[in-house]
Amino acid sequence: QVQLVESGGGVVQPGRSLRLSCAASGFTFSTYGVHWVRQAPGKGLEWVAVISYDGSDKYYADSVKGRFTISRDNSKNTLFLQMSSLRADDTALYYCAKDRERSPTIDYWGQGTLVTVSS
Amino acid sequence: QSALTQPASVSGSPGQSITISCTGTSSDIGAYNYVSWYQQYPDKAPKLLIYEVSNRPSGVSNRFSGSKSGNTASLTISGLQTEDEADYYCNSYTASSSRVFGGGTRLTVL
Repeated sequence: QVQLVESGGGVVQPGRSLRLSCAASGFTFSTYGVHWVRQAPGKGLEWVAVISYDGSDKYYADSVKGRFTISRDNSKNTLFLQMSSLRADDTALYYCAKDRERSPTIDYWGQGTLVTVSS
Repeated sequence: QSALTQPASVSGSPGQSITISCTGTSSDIGAYNYVSWYQQYPDKAPKLLIYEVSNRPSGVSNRFSGSKSGNTASLTISGLQTEDEADYYCNSYTASSSRVFGGGTRLTVL
């Protein structure tokens, strides 16, 4: 079955960097687009970024553009999110999620990794 | 990239039907049939309920249905059950190849 397991979250000071990882299994990772979606405590879902199956296309939410970089390593079935210049409003549970086959629709989600930006 | 607009809360009694609206623009909901709906319980990951406006993944109850008219999509839950009490989010593909979520709707089953 599809599994997406995020890691790398933690407490980080404002202005610092952090890299999240997402280990994928149970499907052919190299053939699906994958996303990062976040949810601030007590708030709604916010789409963050998507990367195409082969890494050639990347798109970002305006709120993270220029600060976050999405990437993937298909040889290791792993998705990454490099976050820099972190701010307090980046504090959230970060989910890794995959697209449905041949459709720009998120169908499976991980359980999330918590990032807290605080001094 | 403004969020899609959903009502903050809706409520209904067991057995009743409710509809949650999701309003976007001609650059997202109005432009594509790539609207999806998710159900989220507290401290759990979201679950896909509806994809491509009105399609249900295998295993999702047929009490859940979706539709779209112009820039507004809707999720209808019929025969409300207490287990349906959760948060619901809509999502759309956009003209800039990004995605956008609605603000979420808290469903209370009275």
